Amino acid sequence: NAGVTQTPKFRVLKTGQSMTLLCAQDMNHEYMYWYRQDPGMGLRLIHYSVGEGTTAKGEVPDGYNVSRLKKQNFLLGLESAAPSQTSVYFCASRHVSYQETQYFGPGTRLLVL
Amino acid sequence: AQSVTQLDSQVPVFEEAPVELRCNYSSSVSVYLFWYVQYPNQGLQLLLKYLSGSTLVKGINGFEAEFNKSQTSFHLRKPSVHISDTAEYFCAVSARNRDDKIIFGKGTRLHILP
Repeated sequence: NAGVTQTPKFRVLKTGQSMTLLCAQDMNHEYMYWYRQDPGMGLRLIHYSVGEGTTAKGEVPDGYNVSRLKKQNFLLGLESAAPSQTSVYFCASRHVSYQETQYFGPGTRLLVL
Repeated sequence: AQSVTQLDSQVPVFEEAPVELRCNYSSSVSVYLFWYVQYPNQGLQLLLKYLSGSTLVKGINGFEAEFNKSQTSFHLRKPSVHISDTAEYFCAVSARNRDDKIIFGKGTRLHILP
């Protein structure tokens, strides 16, 4: 049981390049989330999904797109990367029941030059 | 909408001393409350959560938190800290009537002094 995994662990992009971050979970969780973490800002929700084929915007969705084609995967895309998107990105998942814990992946460190 | 305020961005404390990390929340509806811990270069993991019932919640690693509805607070405490408690701690809230997402505070970095 790997829990929540994120690919890649590190990435350096040039301004304007695109990339996709992959989040995978093997716990059959319905809900999945993408956060970004910046110094002094805590975790801010980018997008989330409450089930396969559904997505919703969080606090800071601009510049990002997501897709949830399979229940176990949640993809975060940057179509045209900007230096302001330099951050650590965390994926998380949990069961639909409010009593269930939200599990986090190890993070992806992204640097946009 | 919900919001969380962690009053201290950094808290230094001597090893074996007690510590309290403060968290206040704002919400127009009833809430669930959480504390997460992030060790260096790792993801977040749950320390404890308040869903209902007893207002004193015990978590892992000797931490506990008390829900105070009148003061809209959920402060985290430990009677004696260890060097291994060095980490960043996040308070979080979700609405009972819409629990699909959790809102996090900005975090408190706990520095343990030898």
